[in-house]
Amino acid sequence: DAGITQSPRHKVTETGTPVTLRCHQTENHRYMYWYRQDPGHGLRLIHYSYGVKDTDKGEVSDGYSVSRSKTEDFLLTLESATSSQTSVYFCAISETGSSPLHFGNGTRLTVT
Amino acid sequence: AQSVTQLDSHVSVSEGTPVLLRCNYSSSYSPSLFWYVQHPNKGLQLLLKYTSAATLVKGINGFEAEFKKSETSFHLTKPSAHMSDAAEYFCVVTYTGGGNKLTFGTGTQLKVEL
Repeated sequence: DAGITQSPRHKVTETGTPVTLRCHQTENHRYMYWYRQDPGHGLRLIHYSYGVKDTDKGEVSDGYSVSRSKTEDFLLTLESATSSQTSVYFCAISETGSSPLHFGNGTRLTVT
Repeated sequence: AQSVTQLDSHVSVSEGTPVLLRCNYSSSYSPSLFWYVQHPNKGLQLLLKYTSAATLVKGINGFEAEFKKSETSFHLTKPSAHMSDAAEYFCVVTYTGGGNKLTFGTGTQLKVEL
């Protein structure tokens, strides 16, 4: 899967708790992305990064923050998880801003 | 603005018969179009991409898609379905120079029966 590792693969947490998901890549790609997948919506972009410390918002960024202190790691944080953030989260990488994305295997997050 | 519509949420075919998954798009700019496949509990895998070169695009596993500007369509086809093709398929649009601001369709679940 193009050298992308997402951790954890599954997580159950309670409403109001902070949660951090990690994406680690071994491809040295500049661009990294966080998507969420929900039935009937396809994938929707949460945040993306175009370099170390360079990030920008996607279409569903409310309630999420990201950080990228190293090329290989892109963290997604839910400061105070809500039930509406129950979803499957995918990390993706690309070499340039126009090259195809390669996806990780996803993290299934359940907020109770 | 850009959007993509996958016309069928579920498609069922028999093994050995042709596959047709339909996708219509809209884009204010010259579009780039992709098809991705997702097997259960897996991430998405790129099947093929169109980026303004040949209008008939060949991808992996025998799939191909034809870009038809006049119809704003990018349908995915395969001459003969295999059991391993059962998965969810996503049509994706972005525009040339738009970076990777992808817009995903809602997906088509392909079922292949014996």
